Amino acid sequence: GAGVSQTPSNKVTEKGKYVELRCDPISGHTALYWYRQSLGQGPEFLIYFQGTGAADDSGLPNDRFFAVRPEGSVSTLKIQRTERGDSAVYLCASSRRGQVDTDTQYFGPGTRLTVL
Amino acid sequence: GDSVTQMEGPVTLSEEAFLTINCTYTATGYPSLFWYVQYPGEGLQLLLKATKADDKGSNKGFEATYRKETTSFHLEKGSVQVSDSAVYFCALSDWRGGSNYKLTFGKGTLLTVNP
Repeated sequence: GAGVSQTPSNKVTEKGKYVELRCDPISGHTALYWYRQSLGQGPEFLIYFQGTGAADDSGLPNDRFFAVRPEGSVSTLKIQRTERGDSAVYLCASSRRGQVDTDTQYFGPGTRLTVL
Repeated sequence: GDSVTQMEGPVTLSEEAFLTINCTYTATGYPSLFWYVQYPGEGLQLLLKATKADDKGSNKGFEATYRKETTSFHLEKGSVQVSDSAVYFCALSDWRGGSNYKLTFGKGTLLTVNP
């Protein structure tokens, strides 16, 4: 079956603009995660969905960032009023249930966001 | 808070050389430990994991042992191949507070293996 897919693969935008990043998880996976990877750093946790609800959004840096998963599959990460510091690779992952020690997280290829 | 420190790269080896990538962690609970690998142009993939002290994770010739006394999870391979060239990330997940879904990653180590 298909893995986790993310679109677009690259997004270039101007400071102040609004962007949406999409994640299609593996079919049947109830858990979905967003991470952000800045240059030279490891991925940093942003938000975790279990089904349609955000079970933990403690990693979202501020209220310009928001994510939804309305039907429990596809998720969209939304960034308002983008800033140059938002430039990073945004990674999506999914897993069957959500306990990482028993349940592998499968990562997508990422969306590289560049804010000019 | 939880953190992972791994040796800085890049690491350049010749084919069939022995590989060690050091990883140490800080956690208040009893974390599970992971190594992820990112091959060029691909997404992160789980390489191996260990969920309790003294466990050894292994896969594709790579091994790592969970050492609670030294808070370490060093990655080793006896004989690397060109196809092992990738970025390797050490990570942990901490059961404390019920957040056993969240991965905390190190900065990654770029490995290049030359023929």
